[in-house]
Amino acid sequence: DAGVTQTPRHEVAEKGQTIILKCEPVSGHNDLFWYRQTKIQGLELLSYFRSKSLMEDGGAFKDRFKAEMLNSSFSTLKIQPTEPKDSAVYLCASRQTENTLYFGAGTRLSVL
Amino acid sequence: QQKVQQSPESLIVPEGGMASLNCTSSDRNVDYFWWYRQHSGKSPKMLMSIFSNGEKEEGRFTVHLNKASLHTSLHIRDSQPSDSALYLCAARRAMGYKLTFGTGTSLLVDP
Repeated sequence: DAGVTQTPRHEVAEKGQTIILKCEPVSGHNDLFWYRQTKIQGLELLSYFRSKSLMEDGGAFKDRFKAEMLNSSFSTLKIQPTEPKDSAVYLCASRQTENTLYFGAGTRLSVL
Repeated sequence: QQKVQQSPESLIVPEGGMASLNCTSSDRNVDYFWWYRQHSGKSPKMLMSIFSNGEKEEGRFTVHLNKASLHTSLHIRDSQPSDSALYLCAARRAMGYKLTFGTGTSLLVDP
């Protein structure tokens, strides 16, 4: 079985650019999460989808972060416009409802 | 807002030693805890979960939970260099859907 696939693995952006991160969840999983990971804040929830419906859109992250789930096997996270403070590792995770969360390898974003 | 506090922030143990990691939730509605392990440059992977008071053992790993104090601990006996990683604790509220993570304990096993 394929795990959670994230692309790209690394992204470098100039301040003000728009970037799109991609995620393919494990086949058959109903829930999909986007997290941001930094050393200071740890893992912060950005978005949560259940059966393709957006259940949480991350509160403080709403204004420049937009996650979409176009179908059950593909999700994107758009950051527009990027700022240097967005530099972090972005993790996508999926699970069958209430079961173990499986993480992708992450996208390391650097904003200059 | 629910907080998950982990301690210590970092820990060094000798190879073959015992590592003890702690995690406490500030939310009285939490009913489930997970421990994830994240090797450097890799994704977090679930190690163990616990929702009942008491202890659960899997090989060299033992998890304790005290629901009254919302405190869980992870103990690794006979620590190996391959156990060196960031250990993340996550908690979920009863009837909730999302996991709230602590900032982790960085464990280094010194060969």
